[in-house]
Amino acid sequence: DAMVIQNPRYQVTQFGKPVTLSCSQTLNHNVMYWYQQKSSQAPKLLFHYYDKDFNNEADTPDNFQSRRPNTSFCFLDIRSPGLGDAAMYLCATSRDRSTTRFYEQYFGPGTRLTVT
Amino acid sequence: AQTVTQSQPEMSVQEAETVTLSCTYDTSESDYYLFWYKQPPSRQMILVIRQEAYKQQNATENRFSVNFQKAAKSFSLKISDSQLGDAAMYFCAYRRTLNFGNEKLTFGTGTRLTIIP
Repeated sequence: DAMVIQNPRYQVTQFGKPVTLSCSQTLNHNVMYWYQQKSSQAPKLLFHYYDKDFNNEADTPDNFQSRRPNTSFCFLDIRSPGLGDAAMYLCATSRDRSTTRFYEQYFGPGTRLTVT
Repeated sequence: AQTVTQSQPEMSVQEAETVTLSCTYDTSESDYYLFWYKQPPSRQMILVIRQEAYKQQNATENRFSVNFQKAAKSFSLKISDSQLGDAAMYFCAYRRTLNFGNEKLTFGTGTRLTIIP
């Protein structure tokens, strides 16, 4: 089945140690998103890619970076994780915005990041 | 800026009964989408139902329906004949209607729904 896959599902890292979260998709969608969801809070968009065009949210900390080497993969890099970065990180995709008015976002299961 | 508010952190309902989850939002836009997403424990978020603001008719999807009150900026979700599989966190979300630019979803803080057997 076509889907959005996130690896790993659980990640533990040390304070200040760089960590990379991975997202892949078999939907061939042009747009990929990263959301941060802290406990008991709403998911919050960090950035998204439309093809190779990177779009950063104004309030996303510089500590968060992203790479999209091809259509299928997108990575979230946290350069120096702090305790406040512990959260669920959700990847989502949607299809080409030029072909239809409505673009449903398909979500992966998330990666739960713990910072020790 | 758009905001979405879900004032019920937790709700519970007896199996086979009906439950309504509340959502209000704030926007200055006239054309937008509203969504309800379901996030079961340890599983991915899936779209339950959507409503386009220019449509007056309330959306329905099988046992799920919405009550969209545009003037009041209210968007509630009704689940009829509740089933055990409906247990999840439910998020209300808003998105501007744009063909280009930011496709950002603005979420509420969620309502955790428990189904009582």
